[in-house]
Amino acid sequence: SQQGEEDPQALSIQEGENATMNCSYKTSINNLQWYRQNSGRGLVHLILIRSNEREKHSGRLRVTLDTSKKSSSLLITASRAADTASYFCATDEGSNYKLTFGKGTLLTVNP
Amino acid sequence: SQTIHQWPATLVQPVGSPLSLECTVEGTSNPNLYWYRQAAGRGLQLLFYSVGIGQISSEVPQNLSASRPQDRQFILSSKKLLLSDSGFYLCAWRAGFDGYTFGSGTRLTVV
Repeated sequence: SQQGEEDPQALSIQEGENATMNCSYKTSINNLQWYRQNSGRGLVHLILIRSNEREKHSGRLRVTLDTSKKSSSLLITASRAADTASYFCATDEGSNYKLTFGKGTLLTVNP
Repeated sequence: SQTIHQWPATLVQPVGSPLSLECTVEGTSNPNLYWYRQAAGRGLQLLFYSVGIGQISSEVPQNLSASRPQDRQFILSSKKLLLSDSGFYLCAWRAGFDGYTFGSGTRLTVV
């Protein structure tokens, strides 16, 4: 079943702009993770935020988590053409570390 | 270092033929292993996961099966493929507390 739902489904921006993607989920979680997938490739883990954390940074990435609203956001600052990819949120509900993925946001960064 | 291998990269199989996809992990022991399927333009659906040799949990009833004959080997199989089995199959293992590491995927087309 689908747990996370990303919004928007697609996002097109110019190089240098910031990109914000949102994720909503339905049940309690241990942590929420963001992944990136270049076309036709496997997924790459970007960042993990635990349920007791509210914000986390990694390079140009900033993730927030609001457990009361069951939502998360991923901000990519100063985007580059190489950031063009699909971005997925995934929730870990704590049972055998299974991750439930959303449908993803397709980000296009135009040079 | 820890790596995950998945093969083949692409596969075209006729309806009714058998399937065997293999995934192996190096550089770790007793990993949690996962098989996901991604339909075109969609999110990832968890098919099977394994927490140890011979231990397989199925998430979705379907035409597929999985086996784990060795600690670092995970196999996805089918006796008779259906058209609906087409998709992008991804193997993953849980890399400690920092999320999953994914293989490069197998694109299966059933014709």
